[in-house]
Amino acid sequence: GAGVSQTPSNKVTEKGKYVELRCDPISGHTALYWYRQSLGQGPEFLIYFQGTGAADDSGLPNDRFFAVRPEGSVSTLKIQRTERGDSAVYLCASSLAGVGNEQFFGPGTRLTVL
Amino acid sequence: SQQGEEDPQALSIQEGENATMNCSYKTSINNLQWYRQNSGRGLVHLILIRSNEREKHSGRLRVTLDTSKKSSSLLITASRAADTASYFCATYGPTGRRALTFGSGTRLQVQP
Repeated sequence: GAGVSQTPSNKVTEKGKYVELRCDPISGHTALYWYRQSLGQGPEFLIYFQGTGAADDSGLPNDRFFAVRPEGSVSTLKIQRTERGDSAVYLCASSLAGVGNEQFFGPGTRLTVL
Repeated sequence: SQQGEEDPQALSIQEGENATMNCSYKTSINNLQWYRQNSGRGLVHLILIRSNEREKHSGRLRVTLDTSKKSSSLLITASRAADTASYFCATYGPTGRRALTFGSGTRLQVQP
């Protein structure tokens, strides 16, 4: 596709449930990033993939959060035992390899935990 | 945690006026980028300025960078109602780290 796509665009779940958020990066972009944005704040880094491996997962808030990118393209962010504080917009971005390249963002998934 | 802070947090101007937003950051940087976000969703990259540059232009955008003060400004000239959005500065932090660190943003409202 022409840009980064994310599905679903909105997800409403109940406290304690498991959710998966999907990201399709721009074709050919080996770097993929997940960010989380709370209302009125800037995005905060969660995890970065270079190829299939998580090169930096220092932004994941706790072990309920996990992400995979098994074939080096599509990535899934997984959240177990969701809490109300997990409610936010989850943004995915991709870029070419290398330091300092422009990151192209998807439209985000708005997660609401009731 | 946020790397930088944008100032002001909110700005309301009339169409045709110029809008200036400022950003401060904390650590040394390779480059600084400005993004726009409409309606709290996807971010659009506007402009990148490298640490050895002092000023850069792109259309109606003008960005300055002062590494001695760890600050940057974004100027939008001849604003339009379509410029209404949130604007964020973002930097790459410690050497080798690939994640962008964003400020808290300036919400710009351009009145037609």
